[in-house]
Amino acid sequence: EAQVTQNPRYLITVTGKKLTVTCSQNMNHEYMSWYRQDPGLGLRQIYYSMNVEVTDKGDVPEGYKVSRKEKRNFPLILESPSPNQTSLYFCASKTAYYGSPLHFGNGTRLTVT
Amino acid sequence: SQQGEEDPQALSIQEGENATMNCSYKTSINNLQWYRQNSGRGLVHLILIRSNEREKHSGRLRVTLDTSKKSSSLLITASRAADTASYFCAPEFSGGGADGLTFGKGTHLIIQP
Repeated sequence: EAQVTQNPRYLITVTGKKLTVTCSQNMNHEYMSWYRQDPGLGLRQIYYSMNVEVTDKGDVPEGYKVSRKEKRNFPLILESPSPNQTSLYFCASKTAYYGSPLHFGNGTRLTVT
Repeated sequence: SQQGEEDPQALSIQEGENATMNCSYKTSINNLQWYRQNSGRGLVHLILIRSNEREKHSGRLRVTLDTSKKSSSLLITASRAADTASYFCAPEFSGGGADGLTFGKGTHLIIQP
């Protein structure tokens, strides 16, 4: 089944403890992206990648890192999480072509205390 | 980054009525996509309309695009309780390359039984 898989679904952590949210897709998509969703603010793009070893900042990249060493994986790294990074996170992927739809993962609900 | 803006932010209608939501954007687009999000879940692609199209239908969905006004509308006819969700538009801009689909705050649609 074609899908984007994020793990974990729920994560509670403490300020400053490094964490990684994994994202994997099995559709051979070139493009992958991370979003965070907060009440009243909609979905905001954190980072995106147009292909292996190519990453770019979105609208809210501060406090996050990403890497794209393989086409299928696009992990989101929080080196020193802070409470303002408490949010619902989504990974998504698509082909590089205009008009191709984004496929979303099921989300990761992160709480930083 | 550029993104679409959905209007209204919230809409509550009776089951069986039609629901219309709008999207405005600011620069030239290649296409515009609409997505649905059920509470806390990943977004799901609904329909795509290309810049050279004026109207498109898919089941109970009708999308229009007016590039001169830089706006689009999504009409859901004969609404059902299961249509309760948030709806997002995602203009794909003509900047060259798939540098991302970004989203606004969405329209939260509630269908009253």
